[in-house]
Amino acid sequence: QKEVEQNSGPLSVPEGAIASLNCTYSDRGSQSFFWYRQYSGKSPELIMFIYSNGDKEDGRFTAQLNKASQYVSLLIRDSQPSDSATYLCAVKRDSNYQLIWGAGTKLIIKP
Amino acid sequence: GAGVSQSPRYKVAKRGQDVALRCDPISGHVSLFWYQQALGQGPEFLTYFQNEAQLDKSGLPSDRFFAERPEGSVSTLKIQRTQQEDSAVYLCASSLGSGGYEQYFGPGTRLTVT
Repeated sequence: QKEVEQNSGPLSVPEGAIASLNCTYSDRGSQSFFWYRQYSGKSPELIMFIYSNGDKEDGRFTAQLNKASQYVSLLIRDSQPSDSATYLCAVKRDSNYQLIWGAGTKLIIKP
Repeated sequence: GAGVSQSPRYKVAKRGQDVALRCDPISGHVSLFWYQQALGQGPEFLTYFQNEAQLDKSGLPSDRFFAERPEGSVSTLKIQRTQQEDSAVYLCASSLGSGGYEQYFGPGTRLTVT
């Protein structure tokens, strides 16, 4: 079992709808959780991070964390074609420096 | 302001050659990370520097891989006697503080070993 698991997709969502991306992790010591977006051929860029259980909103993006169930999700409201990318989930223990990454979910927003 | 830069952007090496990959982090950023990303996978951690100190090199896959950041700014990842399995994109990221919570990535160096 991989430490961080994501459905590889592709996940196809119509323009204007809500895209829901999920990530599960195995290490209960994980304390910080990150969502990155990676366009094809480009490097990852940070969307948002979350530390506490519950929801965190930033514009059209909402991260949701449930430590008891060991999952973190990203919701994208009013999806745009420019949101089409691979979304990477990463987790981190406060006791070390490493980010542990999932393989990413490919998201396609259909006009 | 200027972001993280990496050079070269593309490198083709014959098996057995040595390569050196350069990373210029954002000015003033304390933390610097190197990652290896294979096609269709997430990045894999290689090593971490806090200023000039290499605090974690547990992700380096073999003793052919070596990284340095002698003055706490520019970093170089060196791969000796390259093998085909070294073909990947090598990403550098920096963050302002220690701990690496908000990492900003460079464009990467795509290494192809033939």
